[in-house]
Amino acid sequence: GNSVTQMEGPVTLSEEAFLTINCTYTATGYPSLFWYVQYPGEGLQLLLKATKADDKGSNKGFEATYRKETTSFHLEKGSVQVSDSAVYFCATPGAGSYQLTFGKGTKLSVIP
Amino acid sequence: DTAVSQTPKYLVTQMGNDKSIKCEQNLGHDTMYWYKQDSKKFLKIMFSYNNKELIINETVPNRFSPKSPDKAHLNLHINSLELGDSAVYFCASSPQGAKNIQYFGAGTRLSVL
Repeated sequence: GNSVTQMEGPVTLSEEAFLTINCTYTATGYPSLFWYVQYPGEGLQLLLKATKADDKGSNKGFEATYRKETTSFHLEKGSVQVSDSAVYFCATPGAGSYQLTFGKGTKLSVIP
Repeated sequence: DTAVSQTPKYLVTQMGNDKSIKCEQNLGHDTMYWYKQDSKKFLKIMFSYNNKELIINETVPNRFSPKSPDKAHLNLHINSLELGDSAVYFCASSPQGAKNIQYFGAGTRLSVL
């Protein structure tokens, strides 16, 4: 089935720094790709998605572009805030149609 | 008005006990899930139900038994708790036609002593 590999953390940045969290996928074909975010003490929530190659997902200042040439879906933000501190998960549909496969998560801490 | 709510939020218990975690969603979704998140934040699917029918049953000890009385509820019962069961358990749901857009509860932190 499909899988994703994301960079391990933790990542610590100063406020207003540029963020990149890498995610690459392994799949037959071109599956949908997702970034989910987990704020402290909460469940995961969808941050953005892309359903086909060259799509760009964006939300809350975050962006990720589906690049089939490099099988990647890296998450970027130009200027992070303290409130962005969270764990970020890359995901793709798994073996079955009812299954999402998540990466191992990358913890981001933004310091003032 | 919480969309996916699970109770309790924290559960501390002794090895060998039996415990249940309840989950309810008011989103009208057809599919519900249970995930286990370990101390390193790794998230693994345990079960998925669609319209009260079991769809996914990953390699989970049969001490774990999900129950779906209706499509808005998916409870998780755990028998004979072990130390290794300590984790955060998340319930989630997704709508028909958008299985990959999942809505998560806030989690239940289970500590087995």
